[in-house]
Amino acid sequence: GQQVMQIPQYQHVQEGEDFTTYCNSSTTLSNIQWYKQRPGGHPVFLIQLVKSGEVKKQKRLTFQFGEAKKNSSLHITATQTTDVGTYFCAGPKNYGQNFVFGPGTRLSVLP
Amino acid sequence: DTAVSQTPKYLVTQMGNDKSIKCEQNLGHDTMYWYKQDSKKFLKIMFSYNNKELIINETVPNRFSPKSPDKAHLNLHINSLELGDSAVYFCASSRLAGEVEQYFGPGTRLTVT
Repeated sequence: GQQVMQIPQYQHVQEGEDFTTYCNSSTTLSNIQWYKQRPGGHPVFLIQLVKSGEVKKQKRLTFQFGEAKKNSSLHITATQTTDVGTYFCAGPKNYGQNFVFGPGTRLSVLP
Repeated sequence: DTAVSQTPKYLVTQMGNDKSIKCEQNLGHDTMYWYKQDSKKFLKIMFSYNNKELIINETVPNRFSPKSPDKAHLNLHINSLELGDSAVYFCASSRLAGEVEQYFGPGTRLTVT
């Protein structure tokens, strides 16, 4: 079946360091989304990528969709303690109305 | 005002009991979802309703029964609770079915003892 994987599972960084999480799908995706979940909170939609090779930026966050539309990355420049949380990627399941979430990357930022 | 609300926030109950979780959205969205997040933070969709009609029903035990009295509400009833049902249950909504931007509720932490 379709699988969406993320690496790393956990990442601990010092405040000010950069952070990257990678998302890989076993199948080609029509689009990919990223969500952030703060500890004890709920997932919050960050962005959607649709085009092959697309790059989008939100302040210190840079999102990229791979050329083959099977992988994506989220890069955070100069992390802050407010970046702490779990970052999930998600893609449509078999081009349907359902979504498959990756297992998430849990980011800890040490002050 | 809270966009997607759930009640209760916490639910502790014993095995074998029946319980319900309620969800309401005031965003005017057509589609609502139930997700289960286990202890390892893995998020998995359970059900989706579009305008009160069931459109997604993942492989979920039939002890779980969703009900949508109108498009602003989606409730989840669970019969004969088991230990493995312990998780955080999130309700979410989106403007249209299949639309990627979903708004999640605060979650209901269910603990079955």
